[in-house]
Amino acid sequence: GAGVSQTPSNKVTEKGKYVELRCDPISGHTALYWYRQSLGQGPEFLIYFQGTGAADDSGLPNDRFFAVRPEGSVSTLKIQRTERGDSAVYLCASSPRADTGELFFGEGSRLTVL
Amino acid sequence: AQSVTQLGSHVSVSEGALVLLRCNYSSSVPPYLFWYVQYPNQGLQLLLKYTTGATLVKGINGFEAEFKKSETSFHLTKPSAHMSDAAEYFCAVSNTGGFKTIFGAGTRLFVKA
Repeated sequence: GAGVSQTPSNKVTEKGKYVELRCDPISGHTALYWYRQSLGQGPEFLIYFQGTGAADDSGLPNDRFFAVRPEGSVSTLKIQRTERGDSAVYLCASSPRADTGELFFGEGSRLTVL
Repeated sequence: AQSVTQLGSHVSVSEGALVLLRCNYSSSVPPYLFWYVQYPNQGLQLLLKYTTGATLVKGINGFEAEFKKSETSFHLTKPSAHMSDAAEYFCAVSNTGGFKTIFGAGTRLFVKA
């Protein structure tokens, strides 16, 4: 597709369950970012990939959160033992070059933890 | 560390009036500055950016912003609001190199007929 694709668009889960959120970036974009947006807040940085490696994961809130990008394209954000406080919209963005700072966002995956 | 403060979580203007959305930033290195817009049920999209050079930058849909280093500000303006401008606007800052972009809390713009 032409833009950043995120699946699922909505996910409802129960506290304690495991969740995976997928991001398919724009073809050819080498940089990929995950953000989290809570209601009434701006996007909060989680992690940034340059190629296959996580160049900066300083925004991951704790060790229940993990992200991979094994082939340098699609990325998966994994959340273990979900908590109600994890409920948010998880945004993925890609960029043709990390040094432009210009991000192309997907529409997000809304996670609700009951 | 970098941070962004957007003054006013909600701004309401009449159609045809000036739009002014305020943004102040904090950065220990020369910043890259951005405004993103989020229309209802859509992803964020870049409105305009400042990296280097001319401090007055123009973006899409008639918006512009001016980088003022002495005031650490990057306010967004549009001379005449249109109903279609109603959206949420986010100011953002990244370090030179743009590797990690930090967003403000956002300002929701309402446009009255």
